[in-house]
Amino acid sequence: QSALTQPASVSGSLGQSTTISCTGTSSDVGGYNYVSWYQQHPGKAPKLMIYDVSNRPSGVSNRFSGSKSGNTASLTISGLQAEDETDYYCSSFTSSSTWVFGGGTKLTVL
Amino acid sequence: EVQLVQSGAEVKKPGESLKISCKGSGYSFTNYWIGWVRQMPGKGLEWMGIIYPSDSDIRYSPSFQGQVIISVDKSISTAYLQWSSLKASDTAVYYCARRYEKYFDYWGQGTLVTVSS
Repeated sequence: QSALTQPASVSGSLGQSTTISCTGTSSDVGGYNYVSWYQQHPGKAPKLMIYDVSNRPSGVSNRFSGSKSGNTASLTISGLQAEDETDYYCSSFTSSSTWVFGGGTKLTVL
Repeated sequence: EVQLVQSGAEVKKPGESLKISCKGSGYSFTNYWIGWVRQMPGKGLEWMGIIYPSDSDIRYSPSFQGQVIISVDKSISTAYLQWSSLKASDTAVYYCARRYEKYFDYWGQGTLVTVSS
């Protein structure tokens, strides 16, 4: 099971928007609406930000949104804030009834 | 309040065995799968496997099958990850996480395992 493909880094200006992509295959991202996104600050446990492609857990800012097209899922963060600067990981359920993560993306807020 | 509390940091030598734990509380432990995730130093998250406490059904990532053993003691609401012979490449932070439907909603604080001679 290969890791999902994410850009190593993205950046965006304060107050602007940025999008992180997550590319898989028809056996994971493209085959199910079970993509989730996690935010991880240094030295901390991952935090669920988006589940089932586009749903936000209670307490997560509506500045975070998710979508999917074909084998690629995306996380969009609007109104960028300084505290958004950290690492983000996508994950997908797979046809083997396992899960796979993306390699992670470091977001820099300019 | 749902909590997953993991055992403390470990320092081991190559070839030694190790079992780390993850204790769930604040919810019905047997009704939710518990997964394990590895994060090597400076690297990303890797999904290792998952166990259903009610019947100990286990799924392993092909990358970790045969390398680790996942188990559970439902009487004390605790899941385990163990190695029989550690290698330096097992040095990492290991997280447990509760599966809710098809995602992981609550995570433990992580256990740092350092393997060094």
